[in-house]
Amino acid sequence: GESVGLHLPTLSVQEGDNSIINCAYSNSASDYFIWYKQESGKGPQFIIDIRSNMDKRQGQRVTVLLNKTVKHLSLQIAATQPGDSAVYFCAEDLTQGGSEKLVFGKGTKLTVNP
Amino acid sequence: NAGVMQNPRHLVRRRGQEARLRCSPMKGHSHVYWYRQLPEEGLKFMVYLQKENIIDESGMPKERFSAEFPKEGPSILRIQQVVRGDSAAYFCASRYGTQNTEAFFGQGTRLTVV
Repeated sequence: GESVGLHLPTLSVQEGDNSIINCAYSNSASDYFIWYKQESGKGPQFIIDIRSNMDKRQGQRVTVLLNKTVKHLSLQIAATQPGDSAVYFCAEDLTQGGSEKLVFGKGTKLTVNP
Repeated sequence: NAGVMQNPRHLVRRRGQEARLRCSPMKGHSHVYWYRQLPEEGLKFMVYLQKENIIDESGMPKERFSAEFPKEGPSILRIQQVVRGDSAAYFCASRYGTQNTEAFFGQGTRLTVV
């Protein structure tokens, strides 16, 4: 089965608030993680990535935190906007037996209320 | 530099027909991945290909499904004798290399089997 899961299937926030989306992974050997945003009817869009030698990485309005001790990832979105409404997936880059592939969780649907 | 191109965007097939889904990776990318997504679900890995080689097909159903990435031309995901359960969105992703590099996704092909 999939090794990456999410704590919450849905998240509703007010415009301007900060959003936090969580993700658990099970493969302690994984060393690369990506957050994707998927809008309705579209393909996943890269947001931010992080390697296992880091515990925090910041982008524009987004921050990813990695806690290797408890195998947990989170995506923080500052000052959430209506355009941030989408499904967010974390993905684990799994290297196994000569293959390297992204393993996705089910996703968290973020709804931003005006 | 165009992104990952998938066609068709929408495909309707009757049960028993064949479906052919095409994916042109980003320029310079030699690694192609196919994923399937059911409504309200995450992306499930199907197959990983490099030019003229199948690297990992552990996510492919044993029958009716095949994939190729020829030396010239797009990658093709082929589903023979489609059944209603094949209805889903199929996404292609490409990467320049492995070793923790970003994967870019196409907009997907939505297959409906009637």
